This record gives sequence, structure tokens and C-alpha cells, in this order.
Amino acid sequence: GEDVEQSLFLSVREGDSSVINCTYTDSSSTYLYWYKQEPGAGLQLLTYIFSNMDMKQDQRLTVLLNKKDKHLSLRIADTQTGDSAIYFCAERFSGGYNKLIFGAGTRLAVHP
Amino acid sequence: ETGVTQTPRHLVMGMTNKKSLKCEQHLGHNAMYWYKQSAKKPLELMFVYNFKEQTENNSVPSRFSPECPNSSHLFLHLHTLQPEDSALYLCASSQEARNEKLFFGSGTQLSVL
Repeated sequence: GEDVEQSLFLSVREGDSSVINCTYTDSSSTYLYWYKQEPGAGLQLLTYIFSNMDMKQDQRLTVLLNKKDKHLSLRIADTQTGDSAIYFCAERFSGGYNKLIFGAGTRLAVHP
Repeated sequence: ETGVTQTPRHLVMGMTNKKSLKCEQHLGHNAMYWYKQSAKKPLELMFVYNFKEQTENNSVPSRFSPECPNSSHLFLHLHTLQPEDSALYLCASSQEARNEKLFFGSGTQLSVL
């Protein structure tokens, strides 16, 4: 079946690292994504990783992919208050036109 | 600003009303999508249009009727909705329907009374 799971809430202190985890089910997924949604806004593509990669780094963001365990994580270094948002993990389901299966989202709260 | 504009931002309608949601993209993309975001549920793909042709209808009830007159515009016509249809409706576009990068609009927050 198609299912992407993530924890619903994460609270971190400003300046610390945040790690948001995700598990997915489709082992043939070609791309995995992280989207960010700020209050009152649509989803913004943060980063994505191709399934033949283990890691991708983009400034403060590090994506780790464990294909064996179907586990994806997003690490945000030096977390700032502006990082407070909902973060969605998504896999590109191999069965159809760009069918992205999203998780329910992890709400990241950054406190002083 | 993502280049995908949705109107209206908020909509309140009764169950007997007919209304339409509009989406316009200024990115030169050829694929457009409707997603539904309900509270505490994952985003649900509703419809996909690729080069103006509908390529996916994800078992959406007929009270939701999409229209894609050209590659830049996408509508969602609503009639006889139910209160459980209240949600944030997000439009997205991509270069083509097999392209991995989606650009989302800010959504229309719909309340059905």
C-alpha cells in the first residue's frame, strides 16, 4: 500500500539541530522530497533526493536516505525561529503520473 | 511567491451553493494538480492535468468538477458540497506530469456550512 509516516510534532531550542524522520513504503520510489509549509501558505519544495543517493547536503539542510529500512530524515542545523513550520515528507509513487504520496506533516516549533 | 496564484484565499459556502476555485501559474508549466489538505490528514491528490488533458482522477466525488482550459489555468467547480469537504485546496504545477518538482499555490481555505 501507499503510506508515508512521520511524527506529528517536534520542539527544539533555537540554535540546536532538528531532525525530522519519515518512513515510506514504496521501495521503487525514484525521488523523495521534503516540503515546508508556513502558516497560511502553500507547500514549498525544500529539497529532494534521488533514490540512488544516501545523502544530500544543501546549506543547513542534510537529507539522509536509508533505502534498506525505507527511512528518510531531514536535519536542519542551527535551527532558527524562521524554521518553525510544518515539514512534509513525500515519495514519488512509481505507479502513475507524478503521484506524490505525502506524510501527515511534522510541526516544528522552535523556542528561544 | 511561487508563481502559482490561487483565488479566492478563503471561501465560505452553503451546501446548495455553486462556486469555483481558480488557479493560475506563470511558470510556463504543462502539468497542473489539485490537492486537498484536511486537518491532521496527509495531502490527497485529487486531479492531474498534463497538457490540458486529465490524466488522473483519484476517485474524487462528482460534486468536484475540474476544468483546465489551457496549460496556465485550472479551475475546480464545486456544487452540493458536504461539511466534510471543508479543507484547504491546493493547486500545484510542474514542468510536465512526470517532473519531480511541484510548485504550490497558497491554497483556498474552504468552509462548507
